[in-house]
Amino acid sequence: AQSVTQLGSHVSVSEGALVLLRCNYSSSVPPYLFWYVQYPNQGLQLLLKYTSAATLVKGINGFEAEFKKSETSFHLTKPSAHMSDAAEYFCAVGSYGKLTFGQGTILTVHP
Amino acid sequence: DGGITQSPKYLFRKEGQNVTLSCEQNLNHDAMYWYRQDPGQGLRLIYYSQIVNDFQKGDIAEGYSVSREKKESFPLTVTSAQKHPTAFYLCASSTWGLTSGSEGDTQYFGPGTRLTVL
Repeated sequence: AQSVTQLGSHVSVSEGALVLLRCNYSSSVPPYLFWYVQYPNQGLQLLLKYTSAATLVKGINGFEAEFKKSETSFHLTKPSAHMSDAAEYFCAVGSYGKLTFGQGTILTVHP
Repeated sequence: DGGITQSPKYLFRKEGQNVTLSCEQNLNHDAMYWYRQDPGQGLRLIYYSQIVNDFQKGDIAEGYSVSREKKESFPLTVTSAQKHPTAFYLCASSTWGLTSGSEGDTQYFGPGTRLTVL
């Protein structure tokens, strides 16, 4: 069975500050890991995904995530937050065509 | 443009009433999925279909039904047995079945339907 834990249901940062959203996973097989972003009343948009080709994955909008097998983590970062980054972020683990999602982290960006 | 469409965007249901949510994709994907999203609980899988005329229950299938008569379409019916209050419903698709690994697991989402129980 697979599971995902996102630490912190709400994260608040100032504009220009580092964004760090935490994700830990549990998987019995080598995982495929994903980060999605959701703006209010919209669907989910793929930010990036880990495919085992490289442990540091770059995504859209300046986000990146690092896969650390020893820590079973796949944290999402962005060096400098922008007001437009305010949204809800979901980490997910995939296996055989199905995704298991974390509970989501709402990111608030203050001017 | 290829993508996934869901209609309607907003839907209202009276208790005891069945309603159907539409999901259409023109991505030529074999697999399609329905999720329910509740605040603070992430997304939970209702039903999924990996091929036409076949579908499987997800984690919260009670009170819902689906059909998959065409590759492009995967409608979800919320039946009178479903007691859950207002929620956001998301449809997704993937190439699972045609591709495997991370590519097959990557799901693409529609814009969602917000269902309100009156």
